[in-house]
Amino acid sequence: ETVLTQSPGTLSLSPGERATLSCRASQSVSSTYVAWYQRKPGQAPRLLIYGASRRARGIPDRFSGSGSGRDFTLTISRLEPEDFAVYYCQQYGGSRDLTFGGGTKVEIK
Amino acid sequence: QLQLQESGPGLLKPSETLSLTCTVSGGSITSDHWTWIRQPAGKELEWIGRMYTGGNTNYNPSLKSRVTMSLDTSKNQFSLNLSSVTAADTAVYYCARGPYPHYFDHWGQGTLVTVSS
Repeated sequence: ETVLTQSPGTLSLSPGERATLSCRASQSVSSTYVAWYQRKPGQAPRLLIYGASRRARGIPDRFSGSGSGRDFTLTISRLEPEDFAVYYCQQYGGSRDLTFGGGTKVEIK
Repeated sequence: QLQLQESGPGLLKPSETLSLTCTVSGGSITSDHWTWIRQPAGKELEWIGRMYTGGNTNYNPSLKSRVTMSLDTSKNQFSLNLSSVTAADTAVYYCARGPYPHYFDHWGQGTLVTVSS
């Protein structure tokens, strides 16, 4: 099983600032198989990024993903009030290996 | 627009079988990948397993011995059965869809299942 470690656990920022979220895998992961999700309280998780860098339908271009190998990053270029939420990375390592990171909470400073 | 809605008992006793249903509207379950994911309070999201074309399944090895999934195309629903539950199975359970096995573009709101004597 591939373990994903997200850092930091909590990111305290102000609207308009840049957010950089990290996801490190315990072994190399194909970038094709890395996704990022946003979750707000009481809501279903929302797909932001798939294939490490491809924005899902309807996702604003202030969200971007990058990375390869073991290290992947989600960047929010300028935080909007609606972006304060918990973000999860996820990898797929085969038909029986699909794991999520522990999440990064982006909170208002 | 595709929508998913989980339903099932919210409270179970230890050793009982958890049975949840995901009702899909706005699209057909005869294609794509249909998945169950859970999250215990304060813990990580955990993939439980998926069903896909032809009724094929993949399960998380850590849960495989207790998990069964099924599709009911006549009702556009897919289901999860998890046997011999314990308190460790207390979690919010989500159903989700993916066009491929490696990501999920539609999720249900989630349903809380509590296991307690």
